[in-house]
Amino acid sequence: AQSVSQHNHHVILSEAASLELGCNYSYGGTVNLFWYVQYPGQHLQLLLKYFSGDPLVKGIKGFEAEFIKSKFSFNLRKPSVQWSDTAEYFCAVNYGGSQGNLIFGKGTKLSVKP
Amino acid sequence: EPEVTQTPSHQVTQMGQEVILRCVPISNHLYFYWYRQILGQKVEFLVSFYNNEISEKSEIFDDQFSVERPDGSNFTLKIRSTKLEDSAMYFCASSQTEQYFGPGTRLTVT
Repeated sequence: AQSVSQHNHHVILSEAASLELGCNYSYGGTVNLFWYVQYPGQHLQLLLKYFSGDPLVKGIKGFEAEFIKSKFSFNLRKPSVQWSDTAEYFCAVNYGGSQGNLIFGKGTKLSVKP
Repeated sequence: EPEVTQTPSHQVTQMGQEVILRCVPISNHLYFYWYRQILGQKVEFLVSFYNNEISEKSEIFDDQFSVERPDGSNFTLKIRSTKLEDSAMYFCASSQTEQYFGPGTRLTVT
């Protein structure tokens, strides 16, 4: 079955530290890749997406992600985190057309210490 | 900025009762989805809906579940006879290309 793995369940960083959250997906042909963020008490919000083209995609709030096809990975990065980045981050994939259902990872909770 | 909205935010119901969860998708979107997240678990796909019919559904979406777009704006999820294990957060999403999510309805079945 198709699946998405997020390796880190909880990451704790100090402000200004760099962030990298891992995401791997199972092979299934053409993929579209997404990172969503859920701030405390809020709904899932799209951070960035990859459909095709440049494998390095930039999203909102200074986040970026790199699609490495050979590693089936789509890791999320931010050079310098802020306290306001404290949230849960979800990697998601859909296979085939962009309108297909999303398969989510379990999420990574990020806590940023001021 | 347009948003997906969901009502109610929290629904408590007794086992065996019917519940209807409501969603108002973003107005120019054509694809609609329901997902759920049981506490501590992954967000799971339930069903997708396009052109007034179900386009895809998961094995979770059994005969107890149904979806409807009763008018031009609402998109509903009905659970006919709730079970304890239906307790979860239910998210609606809509899309043109990427999916936008609503705030969720927390369903508690007692």
